[in-house]
Amino acid sequence: EAGVAQSPRYKIIEKRQSVAFWCNPISGHATLYWYQQILGQGPKLLIQFQNNGVVDDSQLPKDRFSAERLKGVDSTLKIQPAKLEDSAVYLCASSLPTGVDEQFFGPGTRLTVL
Amino acid sequence: GEDVEQSLFLSVREGDSSVINCTYTDSSSTYLYWYKQEPGAGLQLLTYIFSNMDMKQDQRLTVLLNKKDKHLSLRIADTQTGDSAIYFCAVASNDYKLSFGAGTTVTVRA
Repeated sequence: EAGVAQSPRYKIIEKRQSVAFWCNPISGHATLYWYQQILGQGPKLLIQFQNNGVVDDSQLPKDRFSAERLKGVDSTLKIQPAKLEDSAVYLCASSLPTGVDEQFFGPGTRLTVL
Repeated sequence: GEDVEQSLFLSVREGDSSVINCTYTDSSSTYLYWYKQEPGAGLQLLTYIFSNMDMKQDQRLTVLLNKKDKHLSLRIADTQTGDSAIYFCAVASNDYKLSFGAGTTVTVRA
């Protein structure tokens, strides 16, 4: 079974530039999560999708971050414009939709904002 | 979200047992998890425990839960060099959203 795929693995940009990350969840997983993991901290949930609908985006800085999952499969997370404090690893995870199921994590995208 | 606290570092000799501790604040937590993260990789679920249990054993891993003290621990028996990684405690609230600790870096020395 293929795991959660993410690209790119690494991205370096200058502040005020834009960046987008892509995630392809495990086939059949209706629930998709984006987490932000700052160095030395645990992952923090940014947004949760159930199919193509948003379940929770309370921690997403909506003035600069946006995410979509148009067809209920792949998802894109965008930052526009980026700030220095956005430097982090962005993790995508997916799970079956029953709530208690294991979340499977992708390898993450390491973003450095200069 | 709730607060989840872990010690930051643990150094252990190969073959010894490792014990990683975690405390949390929300007494209504439903599930409690231990994840492992190796360099450059995502998080891998190691084990989990329901809040109505006080112990779970899975091969070399033993999870202990003290609900009264809101304390969770992970014991790794016969620690190997491949166990060197960052270990995250995560706690699920009533709506199954996860709150993670900052992670404990475990270093296994020969």
